[in-house]
Amino acid sequence: DARVTQTPRHKVTEMGQEVTMRCQPILGHNTVFWYRQTMMQGLELLAYFRNRAPLDDSGMPKDRFSAEMPDATLATLKIQPSEPRDSAVYFCASGLPGLSTDTQYFGPGTRLTVL
Amino acid sequence: AQKITQTQPGMFVQEKEAVTLDCTYDTSDPSYGLFWYKQPSSGEMIFLIYQGSYDQQNATEGRYSLNFQKARKSANLVISASQLGDSAMYFCAMREGSGGYQKVTFGTGTKLQVIP
Repeated sequence: DARVTQTPRHKVTEMGQEVTMRCQPILGHNTVFWYRQTMMQGLELLAYFRNRAPLDDSGMPKDRFSAEMPDATLATLKIQPSEPRDSAVYFCASGLPGLSTDTQYFGPGTRLTVL
Repeated sequence: AQKITQTQPGMFVQEKEAVTLDCTYDTSDPSYGLFWYKQPSSGEMIFLIYQGSYDQQNATEGRYSLNFQKARKSANLVISASQLGDSAMYFCAMREGSGGYQKVTFGTGTKLQVIP
């Protein structure tokens, strides 16, 4: 059963610390998305990649957030320095354009708490 | 203007009854896709059903069906024979464009509670 995996599942850190979240997309999927979910803002797209190249990162605060895909099996989202307002659930999703459903499949999320 | 509107913040349904969750969308692109996702209290986002803008028939997946009314720009989710495990948040989403461009916009969600 192919799934998107994310680590860590939970992260508690102090303001100012660096946070790195990792995602392993479903094997063969060439598009990876990072979303942030909060009660106030709902689900927001932060960035997405196609074939490891960033296509859209307009939803991401550039001064502290960065997203990369070092290889086809790993996507990372970094926050440096972290702030309390970054507390949220961060989801990674993967997909494969051209499939009839064009569906994104989500990972379980990383729940980040910044104190 | 909101691209995806879910007007029902919360709903209740009796177990074994059918329920309809509303979703309207706004796009000028002739090619788009509509999705529904379920988010139980455990937090994961589970894909339920997809409808393409050119699909002639309404999508169905088991107890889920999508009532697609293109002229009205609505894509309501119908859950038949509700079960206690259906209690969750439900999100409607839309992908605009074709050619592999997959940026998706999500609605604010509807919280469904199934009553025994």
